[in-house]
Amino acid sequence: AQRVTQPEKLLSVFKGAPVELKCNYSYSGSPELFWYVQYSRQRLQLLLRHISRESIKGFTADLNKGETSFHLKKPFAQEEDSAMYYCALTPRTTGGFKTIFGAGTRLFVKA
Amino acid sequence: DVKVTQSSRYLVKRTGEKVFLECVQDMDHENMFWYRQDPGLGLRLIYFSYDVKMKEKGDIPEGYSVSREKKERFSLILESASTNQTSMYLCASSLTTAISYNEQFFGPGTRLTVL
Repeated sequence: AQRVTQPEKLLSVFKGAPVELKCNYSYSGSPELFWYVQYSRQRLQLLLRHISRESIKGFTADLNKGETSFHLKKPFAQEEDSAMYYCALTPRTTGGFKTIFGAGTRLFVKA
Repeated sequence: DVKVTQSSRYLVKRTGEKVFLECVQDMDHENMFWYRQDPGLGLRLIYFSYDVKMKEKGDIPEGYSVSREKKERFSLILESASTNQTSMYLCASSLTTAISYNEQFFGPGTRLTVL
């Protein structure tokens, strides 16, 4: 079965500290993986996607097929990074439009 | 910019009422989705549609139905609202192409309270 697991419901770090939000997935094929973010009082929006290999707002995520993980990392957390983060998987099937979301991790960056 | 709008930000209904949640997108996306967002459960897919008049059940379709008469509009219907349907409802749309990576664009959400 296709599944996305985010083991931490809440992650609290100090400003300037490194942060890693964990995401593990279960899928037998080759997935498209995403991180979405929801800031307070804003709509859910895409943060980054693995296929682009991009860094957005200092965040990066590497796909590790061996460990089936797609952890989100930032070397120096900022207060404005406080938000809800969702890892998501879209199977690369015909159409490929159904996306599976994890339960989310709330990141709180303390001053 | 893609714009996904939802008809209400907040809605309060009584048990047994029929509830309509409307979603409109302005970027000609084929795919539209309705999710529930609950703390600790993340986003759960209720229904999705990949074309006009087409619909597919998601993971939690019980108690809900949908309608897609026009490409830009996707409606979620609660036939007889119950208290366990109190939640935040998110609408999303996406475009499926070889390079779109299936990014979903979300509306602001409707917080529904069923008394």
